[in-house]
Amino acid sequence: KQEVTQIPAALSVPEGENLVLNCSFTDSAIYNLQWFRQDPGKGLTSLLLIQSSQREQTSGRLNASLDKSSGRSTLYIAASQPGDSATYLCAGSNSGNTPLVFGKGTRLSVIA
Amino acid sequence: GAVVSQHPSWVICKSGTSVKIECRSLDFQATTMFWYRQFPKQSLMLMATSNEGSKATYEQGVEKDKFLINHASLTLSTLTVTSAHPEDSSFYICSARELTGGNFEQFFGPGTRLTVL
Repeated sequence: KQEVTQIPAALSVPEGENLVLNCSFTDSAIYNLQWFRQDPGKGLTSLLLIQSSQREQTSGRLNASLDKSSGRSTLYIAASQPGDSATYLCAGSNSGNTPLVFGKGTRLSVIA
Repeated sequence: GAVVSQHPSWVICKSGTSVKIECRSLDFQATTMFWYRQFPKQSLMLMATSNEGSKATYEQGVEKDKFLINHASLTLSTLTVTSAHPEDSSFYICSARELTGGNFEQFFGPGTRLTVL
């Protein structure tokens, strides 16, 4: 069964800094890997979805990579802004029929 | 992307009562829906997988008689928390997977915050 780990658990950076959030998973036969954002008390906002055949996906200032052989994914946020402050969750599934398994998240604070 | 709704968005109930939460896929059909639970400052934990027209599959440690799941149609799944107690207070989030489509993406509802007094 897929297990997902995220480090660091919390991160505080000054505005404008580029940053990387890390996610690792135990089963390299991963089917989908998704990054989400969650604001306090709110639901999930899907940021990027990487299929197993892909190495990376980009959306605006966000770039997510997937390295199945090493069991790692990274979420790169360029030119961070205070509005980026939130918890970022990484989740992976092993097939089209199995549910996403979530990491514990990284709580990001961008200081103005 | 596809839209998943949940109702209610929040509910407060007395201990011992039952609460029903609805999850709907608004613009697509979902043979499979998932129910997650999230305690404060914790991540999402899968409770059960719900397949249309069949019994739900529960994760280890989740009481199926307490958390009743019904997936009666391709667009609706319900979670009923029976005889709710304060320890059931949590954020419940449903997710639906499209019947067709190449990447089997899961779409998430906005969540339901349950507070049991």
